[in-house]
Amino acid sequence: ETGVTQTPRHLVMGMTNKKSLKCEQHLGHNAMYWYKQSAKKPLELMFVYSLEERVENNSVPSRFSPECPNSSHLFLHLHTLQPEDSALYLCASSPSSSGGNTGELFFGEGSRLTVL
Amino acid sequence: DAKTTQPNSMESNEEEPVHLPCNHSTISGTDYIHWYRQLPSQGPEYVIHGLTSNVNNRMASLAIAEDRKSSTLILHRATLRDAAVYYCIPTMEYGNKLVFGAGTILRVKS
Repeated sequence: ETGVTQTPRHLVMGMTNKKSLKCEQHLGHNAMYWYKQSAKKPLELMFVYSLEERVENNSVPSRFSPECPNSSHLFLHLHTLQPEDSALYLCASSPSSSGGNTGELFFGEGSRLTVL
Repeated sequence: DAKTTQPNSMESNEEEPVHLPCNHSTISGTDYIHWYRQLPSQGPEYVIHGLTSNVNNRMASLAIAEDRKSSTLILHRATLRDAAVYYCIPTMEYGNKLVFGAGTILRVKS
């Protein structure tokens, strides 16, 4: 139990569906992250939020839309995905995202997404 | 970001020490060296970090070369639960945006 909870753990969707992944952290952290882990590839950083403001967007296609309504919750809205978007999506949080922090991230267990 | 080089895989016997090496020859003077591991079917978890001095915690020890161009993660007595992918990650001085490489797959034999 890391204090970061992701739902759903597994999701199967068609290319025309709209779905959302949810992440919640109970650690009092100010920064939250989305990472993507495809088969046989390293983790890729997708988005970084600090105090509910997006501070990083690593050239992610617009079919992925993040939302951070408060510092405890992070969503990833999915629409018109492609089969190659099938992957494990990992959420993480840290005390802050900048300035003097040592960078310890706490990860959730991930949401396994399959796009048919 | 500093580039890292780690062995693709290593094997260890249970109850024996394991030394996982990492080369980071382009590390900047203010980068911390972090180690994370990812157990099967789980998200990565923090193991240890350091800047210049060797570090110990309940999970592992981190030995950092004097020139900081390499480091070694030491598991003192490997258990089957330590089988995982181990990532060595130098971090930028001003952020926590960790960039993961391929890591080292550690297999532990009983």
